[in-house]
Amino acid sequence: GAVVSQHPSWVICKSGTSVKIECRSLDFQATTMFWYRQFPKKSLMLMATSNEGSKATYEQGVEKDKFLINHASLTLSTLTVTSAHPEDSSFYICSARLLPISNQPQHFGDGTRLSIL
Amino acid sequence: QKEVEQDPGPLSVPEGAIVSLNCTYSNSAFQYFMWYRQYSRKGPELLMYTYSSGNKEDGRFTAQVDKSSKYISLFIRDSQPSDSATYLCAFSSGSARQLTFGSGTQLTVLP
Repeated sequence: GAVVSQHPSWVICKSGTSVKIECRSLDFQATTMFWYRQFPKKSLMLMATSNEGSKATYEQGVEKDKFLINHASLTLSTLTVTSAHPEDSSFYICSARLLPISNQPQHFGDGTRLSIL
Repeated sequence: QKEVEQDPGPLSVPEGAIVSLNCTYSNSAFQYFMWYRQYSRKGPELLMYTYSSGNKEDGRFTAQVDKSSKYISLFIRDSQPSDSATYLCAFSSGSARQLTFGSGTQLTVLP
């Protein structure tokens, strides 16, 4: 069964709105979660690494003020797309790695399709 | 040279065929090798995970790693229409926490 839950699965909203996406690890604690973005027929692009209790680490070219990440507990990380615009429309996917071994594989959520009108 | 090369396909095979999917990589630091399956509009699902050269089998799936040639493969035996998806190879090094993905191969198994 799924080990990572992501919500919502699909959201449509008006330009200028802020949208929050939740990523939860089920039945395990995740000190580290990852946020990816995927364009149609393209591979996953890592946006940021979410660390519980500390600031997220953003990849080059990703605006941290645009994509706010909060990892307030060991089972929940959130990504907020602030003042979203049509170019932010994409498929956003989170993943988590099982504790405690850092080289365990990542398990992914089912993604959130964001459509900005 | 790209860090990871994966043929994007699309690849179409008849039901029951053996499918071979491949990736090459250039980063010698990669120590962990994964294959994920992604259905349309879903997140990637881990299929195989290995960290040594050789073969690893799980049901109809076999992952093969050749570190000397920097080449990994995924074989699917007795392919089914439900195997139709995009297959992503992924790599990580021992010290880094992030994954490096291939571009994905789109597979269609025809009934």
